[in-house]
Amino acid sequence: SYVLTQPPSVSGAPGQTARITCGGNNIGSKSVHWYQQKPGQAPVLVVYDDSDRPSGIPERFSGSNSGNTATLTISRVEAGDEADYYCQVWDGSNDRGVFGGGTKLTVL
Amino acid sequence: QVQLQESGPGLVKPSQTLSLTCTVSGGSISSRAYYWSWIRQHPGKGLEWIGYIYHSGSTYYNPSLKNRLTISVDTSKNQFSLKLTSVTAADTAVYYCAREEIYRHRFDPWGQGTLVTVSS
Repeated sequence: SYVLTQPPSVSGAPGQTARITCGGNNIGSKSVHWYQQKPGQAPVLVVYDDSDRPSGIPERFSGSNSGNTATLTISRVEAGDEADYYCQVWDGSNDRGVFGGGTKLTVL
Repeated sequence: QVQLQESGPGLVKPSQTLSLTCTVSGGSISSRAYYWSWIRQHPGKGLEWIGYIYHSGSTYYNPSLKNRLTISVDTSKNQFSLKLTSVTAADTAVYYCAREEIYRHRFDPWGQGTLVTVSS
């Protein structure tokens, strides 16, 4: 089955740029979605279809996807961005949704 | 704006059946653009896709759960439901319902989630 690999943790100082990667075999051929989950809350979609933002999500959140790696980039990191972030794709070969293991973003 | 809300028992005994319902408000579950999905999160762990249903009743299940899983829909009540049989402690998790876009399979929005504990 299709596997998505994320680093367990990423950190960044306020005002800096944080990048969270999501690795998968030829992931560039798939649509990648990113979710933010704060403690005790449900996940929230922050980027969809590789690089689109739902309404209400700040422009500081952006995404890219090519080859074997998709990346969520958070510019000008704020304390309120501290959360777990999950990437997700649809595994069409096995007809199932697949999530990465999640990355905890710590704002220093 | 569409909202989803899970409901059901928070405690289930081992070997019994876990039953949850998701009520959709602010939009129709009969929309042709969406599937309606269940996702769970074991305590302190990541997200696991359980399965989805279309308003017509067609379903897709996670192969690891399909032998124990039934997802159904009640369009008259704008609800869909999950039943998981023969539960064990490994089924203890927060269960979320979510709307799933049919072409690119993004999940948005999500319900708030409900913790189900399997214990005697």
